[in-house]
Amino acid sequence: DTAVSQTPKYLVTQMGNDKSIKCEQNLGHDTMYWYKQDSKKFLKIMFSYNNKELIINETVPNRFSPKSPDKAHLNLHINSLELGDSAVYFCASSQDRRKAVYNEQFFGPGTRLTVL
Amino acid sequence: AQKVTQAQTEISVVEKEDVTLDCVYETRDTTYYLFWYKQPPSGELVFLIRRNSFDEQNEISGRYSWNFQKSTSSFNFTITASQVVDSAVYFCALSEAPYNTDKLIFGTGTRLQVFP
Repeated sequence: DTAVSQTPKYLVTQMGNDKSIKCEQNLGHDTMYWYKQDSKKFLKIMFSYNNKELIINETVPNRFSPKSPDKAHLNLHINSLELGDSAVYFCASSQDRRKAVYNEQFFGPGTRLTVL
Repeated sequence: AQKVTQAQTEISVVEKEDVTLDCVYETRDTTYYLFWYKQPPSGELVFLIRRNSFDEQNEISGRYSWNFQKSTSSFNFTITASQVVDSAVYFCALSEAPYNTDKLIFGTGTRLQVFP
């Protein structure tokens, strides 16, 4: 049983294209996140949603637009892709700390995006 | 500002050696959480442990142990009798409590290579 799943696992595209990455969690969590891991393995948060509401937006270019149709899904759409967008994108989910003591984040398998 | 420092970029050991991965954090808050995650060569991020700032008890889980010391703002991770399967990048992370969603601030990771 996959807890946090992402599709696709690999995405190769040309500069200037628009692409989406989908994320779903079946853990019943209220909160979902997107992180970016660059080529040096540095992990940085991009967005966080709690019950479909945007909570954290870490000065990400507005070419990146997250969408949460329900609390089990958080998709990431990227417009006008640039070379520097090449990275591994991780989705994660956690329980809302107001509801539960345990707030560790569980990560999806990652989506490796390569922009040519 | 919050910050996590993992000064060891890469560590190489031979199987059965003990190894300690260092983590030093900075935060202005009195309530915060610390985490360790493992990223094996396959790329996924695996949660290992969560600690809150009020619990300074050391923890042991099999061959893994963690030493949390608020006085030195450190949360070090020791693997006893290392095995080849422990080869991975290990990330220490900090989350502050004021958010109802957790913003993980990651260190730059320590790559551990265990040779047979």
